[in-house]
Amino acid sequence: KQEVTQIPAALSVPEGENLVLNCSFTDSAIYNLQWFRQDPGKGLTSLLLIQSSQREQTSGRLNASLDKSSGRSTLYIAASQPGDSATYLCAVFQGGSEKLVFGKGTKLTVNP
Amino acid sequence: GAGVSQSPSNKVTEKGKDVELRCDPISGHTALYWYRQSLGQGLEFLIYFQGNSAPDKSGLPSDRFSAERTGGSVSTLTIQRTQQEDSAVYLCASSYLPRYEQYFGPGTRLTVT
Repeated sequence: KQEVTQIPAALSVPEGENLVLNCSFTDSAIYNLQWFRQDPGKGLTSLLLIQSSQREQTSGRLNASLDKSSGRSTLYIAASQPGDSATYLCAVFQGGSEKLVFGKGTKLTVNP
Repeated sequence: GAGVSQSPSNKVTEKGKDVELRCDPISGHTALYWYRQSLGQGLEFLIYFQGNSAPDKSGLPSDRFSAERTGGSVSTLTIQRTQQEDSAVYLCASSYLPRYEQYFGPGTRLTVT
């Protein structure tokens, strides 16, 4: 059974800092991996999708990497801003399955 | 364009009553997914639709839960004889094709009293 773990569970940083969020998964037979952010009381906003054949994806100040063989992904946020404060969720699309398996998220607070 | 919409945004119901939750996916998206988010449990998959058929219902917690999709578009999740443990946020997502990027709606917060 696929398990997705995100470390740390919570992170507080000062504005302007670069930071890395970690995601690990137990079964490397994934189809793709997706990073989301969730603001309090809101749904999920898709940030980046990495196909299993890719090693990284970039969108603005965000860069996500994928190392399928070691079962790890990282989300790098450059020059963090207070507006980046949210919970960041990692999810993997398991090969042979039609569902996303989610981690429990990292709650990020960026202090002005 | 319009994103995924869900209604109602909040629903409070008494234990034992039936509820219906609605999801309108992004136009043209063939795949539709229901998830549940509860405190301490994270996000759990419930059911997946491809067109109007549901090849994967493995996440439905009990036979009190059912879902349908009509016209390859709108989906309804029905919970019969609601229990307090059904209280959660129910999220719907759609994607252009299966295993493509999923886009989520704002969710329906269900509270069973």
